[in-house]
Amino acid sequence: DAGITQSPRHKVTETGTPVTLRCHQTENHRYMYWYRQDPGHGLRLIHYSYGVKDTDKGEVSDGYSVSRSKTEDFLLTLESATSSQTSVYFCAISEQLNSYEQYFGPGTRLTVT
Amino acid sequence: AQSVTQLDSHVSVSEGTPVLLRCNYSSSYSPSLFWYVQHPNKGLQLLLKYTSAATLVKGINGFEAEFKKSETSFHLTKPSAHMSDAAEYFCVVSANPNNFNKFYFGSGTKLNVKP
Repeated sequence: DAGITQSPRHKVTETGTPVTLRCHQTENHRYMYWYRQDPGHGLRLIHYSYGVKDTDKGEVSDGYSVSRSKTEDFLLTLESATSSQTSVYFCAISEQLNSYEQYFGPGTRLTVT
Repeated sequence: AQSVTQLDSHVSVSEGTPVLLRCNYSSSYSPSLFWYVQHPNKGLQLLLKYTSAATLVKGINGFEAEFKKSETSFHLTKPSAHMSDAAEYFCVVSANPNNFNKFYFGSGTKLNVKP
C-alpha cells in the first residue's frame, strides 16, 4: 500500500466552524489531490497540488481551500463548515505527470451538524 | 469533454458465477481507463488500468477488462465470483488536457455476491 495517511479519520463538527483535514504521504510524490465521495456521485475533485505551494481548483472547490507547504503534507480547510459538506473525503497521490495511477488514502468521514 | 457512465448501480450474482460490470466513457482525448474497488469503509484500490497498450487488460484477483474504442466501453469481468468480491467498483477515465492527469469517476456499481 502507498504510504498515505489521513487525519482525523472521523470528525463531527457544527455548522459554521472551521475544519482542517490533513493528508500525509511518505512516497515523495509530486501530485496530491483532495476528493469528496457522496452517494451516487462517485468521487469529485475538490483541489489538487502539482508541487509545494502550487495548487489549483477542481470541480467542486467552493467553500474549500488548500495549502501545501511541504511535499508530504496537503491540507484541506473548510473555512465555515456547512451541512452540505458532510461527506467522506479522500486524499490521493500520483508520482509524476505521466504516471497514470492515483493512490488513495483511507478517507476521512466528516459530519457537519 | 470527459465523462463516465456506469450502467448499473447494483449488481447481484451468486458465488461461482460470472461477473459483468459495465462502463461506457466519453473522452475528447485518447483516454486512459481504470477500474478501482472500494471495500466497505476502506479507500480505493486499483484493480486494473488501460493506457493504450493491449486492449484486454488483466488485473488483480482474476478481474479483467476489455477496451472497445468503437463501443466506447470498458466493461469489467470475472469468470467466477467470490464472496470477497463484494464491494463497490468505480470506472475512471483519465484525460490529459494541458498536461494534467485528471480523473473522472463513474458513480459506482455495488456488487453483491450471494452464497
